[in-house]
Amino acid sequence: EPEVTQTPSHQVTQMGQEVILRCVPISNHLYFYWYRQILGQKVEFLVSFYNNEISEKSEIFDDQFSVERPDGSNFTLKIRSTKLEDSAMYFCASRGEVEQFFGPGTRLTVL
Amino acid sequence: QKEVEQNSGPLSVPEGAIASLNCTYSDRGSQSFFWYRQYSGKSPELIMFIYSNGDKEDGRFTAQLNKASQYVSLLIRDSQPSDSATYLCAVRQQGGATNKLIFGTGTLLAVQP
Repeated sequence: EPEVTQTPSHQVTQMGQEVILRCVPISNHLYFYWYRQILGQKVEFLVSFYNNEISEKSEIFDDQFSVERPDGSNFTLKIRSTKLEDSAMYFCASRGEVEQFFGPGTRLTVL
Repeated sequence: QKEVEQNSGPLSVPEGAIASLNCTYSDRGSQSFFWYRQYSGKSPELIMFIYSNGDKEDGRFTAQLNKASQYVSLLIRDSQPSDSATYLCAVRQQGGATNKLIFGTGTLLAVQP
């Protein structure tokens, strides 16, 4: 069964460093998403991506964040200068007709 | 602020019983409603979705939707210890092309053997 994959599973970085989180969505899906979940809190929408551009972004998704689909398979989330409060699980999701399927997540720890 | 509300639990049920999980939402224009299961430290796993008033059954799971009351529920029949997890209600709102999901905080279900 097709699934969303994400790498790395865990990323530790120093405050102020740049990180890139990678996702491979399900191959015939056209809509891609990033969500995050701070420990003990709800899953929060960050950004959606369709047709090679951002279709919607949340208030959380400020200038420090960017997304890209550099080739036909990968979908990346870049955080330019990480803050302590960026520590969270980051989930990529892709959507076919209705359902959104989530990847296993990347746990980002900012020290 | 468009909200999705769930009782955080824990909801404790004995093995073999029916577990009933509830969710309310504030945006009357919401279109589709999703139930995800999330084990500790893992990602949300889709159980089922519903968009019409009434019941929708899938194996041991039944989703129920009442748009007039802005209420959606998930019933789990013959609960098993492996069903112990946090159940997330997510709502897709009306309008826009993104179909982003708004999540509740989740209800922790504990099935006692």
